[in-house]
Amino acid sequence: DTEVTQTPKHLVMGMTNKKSLKCEQHMGHRAMYWYKQKAKKPPELMFVYSYEKLSINESVPSRFSPECPNSSLLNLHLHALQPEDSALYLCASSQDRVVEGYTFGSGTRLTVV
Amino acid sequence: QKEVEQNSGPLSVPEGAIASLNCTYSDRGSQSFFWYRQYSGKSPELIMFIYSNGDKEDGRFTAQLNKASQYVSLLIRDSQPSDSATYLCAVNIYGNNRLAFGKGNQVVVIP
Repeated sequence: DTEVTQTPKHLVMGMTNKKSLKCEQHMGHRAMYWYKQKAKKPPELMFVYSYEKLSINESVPSRFSPECPNSSLLNLHLHALQPEDSALYLCASSQDRVVEGYTFGSGTRLTVV
Repeated sequence: QKEVEQNSGPLSVPEGAIASLNCTYSDRGSQSFFWYRQYSGKSPELIMFIYSNGDKEDGRFTAQLNKASQYVSLLIRDSQPSDSATYLCAVNIYGNNRLAFGKGNQVVVIP
């Protein structure tokens, strides 16, 4: 299995809602990532998990809460988001130390209304 | 200084021509270099990676690495309309478990 699966593909949520994005990989990768991407911009790193432990938090607002229940799963819990948080949210995984690059999921297109 | 720089604006090339993309990086400890292709509204897809100085060819794509000058390039030969996309240069950051991305270059292949 060489895929990273993200669900849902599209999500519309209100500013008072709570929702979660999910990411799953079965490639034996030990590092997993959340990125945010706005239109015509490069991906912007949010969080890195290495061996199921949070290793990098790029000063992301607390309304985004990551979780890594096991080595194959990565969640991003969303609460009280703002319209400016609307973006493509990308999950990626890699072997430790990123020697062979990331494998990205297909992304979740999030719209906050 | 940005970790990875891609300074060229949108690149328009005729079908069948060579598209050339360049990227410079700041971290001399970087060991792995990547080119991702991203179609509009889709996620990035890895198309090339290179670790050693010199050229690496894969089909119509050639990646070139010069560690002394800290640049990486991508050549797309016999460009096809399906190559129209944004190309992201990425570099691993030594001692830090992540990739740094350039801002990307849009390529438009004109039939």
